[in-house]
Amino acid sequence: QSVLTQPPSVSGAPGQRVTISCTGSSSNIGAGYDVHWYQQLPGTAPKLLIYGNTNRPSGVPDRFSGSKSATSASLAITGLQADDEADYYCQSYDSSLSGSVFGGGTKLTVL
Amino acid sequence: QVQLVQSGAEVKKPGASVKVSCKALGYTFTRNYIHWVRQAPGQGLEWMGIISPSDGTTGNAQKFQVRFTMTRDTSTSVVFMELSSLRSEDTAVYYCARGGVLGELSWLDYWGQGTLVTVSS
Repeated sequence: QSVLTQPPSVSGAPGQRVTISCTGSSSNIGAGYDVHWYQQLPGTAPKLLIYGNTNRPSGVPDRFSGSKSATSASLAITGLQADDEADYYCQSYDSSLSGSVFGGGTKLTVL
Repeated sequence: QVQLVQSGAEVKKPGASVKVSCKALGYTFTRNYIHWVRQAPGQGLEWMGIISPSDGTTGNAQKFQVRFTMTRDTSTSVVFMELSSLRSEDTAVYYCARGGVLGELSWLDYWGQGTLVTVSS
C-alpha cells in the first residue's frame, strides 16, 4: 500500500488528453512538499518528467504538464502518442516517514 | 554528460549480503545526493535511502533501517549500497539516482541503468 495513491491504469486514444492523479495526505503533498513525476518505459530506468510540481526538464515536450492542489497532484498528457505508453510514478516527501515516497505507479495504455 | 554506471547483476542465497556500486561521471561528485530505489519484478518503485557524497551522512527509509547500508568513496566517485540478510522478497532491480541539494525532498534527475539482484536458494 503506497503512501501516494495513483490509479493502476489509464488509457486514451492517440491525440487525446489523459490525466493521472496522485493523492496524498497532510504529511506529504498536503504539507506543501513538492511532487515530481517519472516515466518508465518497459525495461528501462525511470526518467524525470516533471519536477517541483509543474516544471519540465530540458527535452521533455510541453505535451506533459503537472499541477498540484491541496493533498493531490496531477500529470496531464495531451496529444497522446503511441510511445507515451509507459508506467508513470509520482514522488514526494513524507514527514511522518522522514523520507521520500513514490506512488504505486500508473500504466498508460494508448489504444 | 552526467552518467551513473552501476555494477552487474548478482545472484545470492537467502541470508547472504549483496553490495552494489554506482559510479558517478560527468559532474562534481560531492555536489549532489545519491538515492537508492528498488523495483521488485512487476512492482512499483520503492525509495530505500539517501547518501551525501560530500560528508557521507545517510538517511534510510524506515523499512530499511537495519539491513541497509550506504557508503561512498570520494577518490573514485563511487557510491555503494549493501543489503544484508537477504530474503526472496529482496529480489529486485536496484537503481541509484542523482538527487538535488534538497536531500530527500529533491527530484531524481539522472538514474543508473539498474542492477538486478536475485535471491534464490
